[in-house]
Amino acid sequence: DQQVKQNSPSLSVQEGRISILNCDYTNSMFDYFLWYKKYPAEGPTFLISISSIKDKNEDGRFTVFLNKSAKHLSLHIVPSQPGDSAVYFCAASEKAAGNKLTFGGGTRVLVKP
Amino acid sequence: NAGVTQTPKFRILKIGQSMTLQCAQDMNHNYMYWYRQDPGMGLKLIYYSVGAGITDKGEVPNGYNVSRSTTEDFPLRLELAAPSQTSVYFCASSPQGSLYGYTFGSGTRLTVV
Repeated sequence: DQQVKQNSPSLSVQEGRISILNCDYTNSMFDYFLWYKKYPAEGPTFLISISSIKDKNEDGRFTVFLNKSAKHLSLHIVPSQPGDSAVYFCAASEKAAGNKLTFGGGTRVLVKP
Repeated sequence: NAGVTQTPKFRILKIGQSMTLQCAQDMNHNYMYWYRQDPGMGLKLIYYSVGAGITDKGEVPNGYNVSRSTTEDFPLRLELAAPSQTSVYFCASSPQGSLYGYTFGSGTRLTVV
């Protein structure tokens, strides 16, 4: 039972264009969502987060959108840069369950120069 | 400013052997976690701890044990290694659950043959 799903295993985008990563969840009790970025041979690093009481959070080139009714969130990277090439994980947590993170399977992004 | 340190980085075990994966953090975080990442998959929670002396099971605890005698250290013990435990193991810590994001170690790549 995969509660957090990233249906696109990979994404290729031209430098300077927008990257859109999608994530769907099934547990309506999730109240906090995060995106992590991972380079090979390194641990994931926190990128951006959003509370369930918001529908958008922006941090520089990164914007996360949350659609609670559709149980869907997305990460927009504008403009995409070659250094953004990495695996991106969507994660969700439920405060009542101790804030443990449940991760999606990841999306590998390749930004072409 | 080490963050979360995991040792060893790589290890090959024979079926039936045991080993301990070490994890130490120097940020005085109360919460610590162990995840495993199988090839092409997301991270799955093995065990977690909300403070010294307190541990609890995650999604995939079978075949593993943990202890938390100090705030800094959270070792993961594998007893009777099996090929199914071949994975990359990540330790993480956070000051107060996922609201503040986790800090991950760089991982331990374990192969059981």
